[in-house]
Amino acid sequence: GAGVSQSPRYKVAKRGQDVALRCDPISGHVSLFWYQQALGQGPEFLTYFQNEAQLDKSGLPSDRFFAERPEGSVSTLKIQRTQQEDSAVYLCASSLTETNQPQHFGDGTRLSIL
Amino acid sequence: GDSVTQMEGPVTLSEEAFLTINCTYTATGYPSLFWYVQYPGEGLQLLLKATKADDKGSNKGFEATYRKETTSFHLEKGSVQVSDSAVYFCALVNTGFQKLVFGTGTRLLVSP
Repeated sequence: GAGVSQSPRYKVAKRGQDVALRCDPISGHVSLFWYQQALGQGPEFLTYFQNEAQLDKSGLPSDRFFAERPEGSVSTLKIQRTQQEDSAVYLCASSLTETNQPQHFGDGTRLSIL
Repeated sequence: GDSVTQMEGPVTLSEEAFLTINCTYTATGYPSLFWYVQYPGEGLQLLLKATKADDKGSNKGFEATYRKETTSFHLEKGSVQVSDSAVYFCALVNTGFQKLVFGTGTRLLVSP
């Protein structure tokens, strides 16, 4: 079966541009998470969905970051007016239920802001 | 808030050596604990987990025991292989939350 799929794998953008990162979770997984991983660091939580409901967005660093999961499956993380400090790997993970199930990660999108 | 502290890397070992990577945590409540591994060029993979005190997680020869009294979850393997070279992340999920809180990762380099 397919794992978590993220696209694009690499994204280069100029400072000030908007970007959109896509995540296809494992089919049937209820929970979806976005994490940001800076170089040499551990992933840091951004936001969490249960089906289409965004239940926790406490980790989003600014109002330039926006995530959605309108049909409870595919999710998009959008970053507006990108800044150099947004350069990082963005990881998506999904899990089967909302109660403490292991999270399965995609390979990530490496975002570079020039 | 909740946090995870891992030993600094890189850890450099010869093949068949014994491995320990230290991990301690700070959390209220009763978190579940995890070790994830990231091989070069790949995404994070769950290696093992433990959900309550004194549980031992194990997989692929790796083990870790949830020690509540020392708030630790150290990763061990009796005999490492070159193919174990990767970055290892300790993480927790606290009770009532879903988000993973990660340590900074420890790079393991195993030479033949």
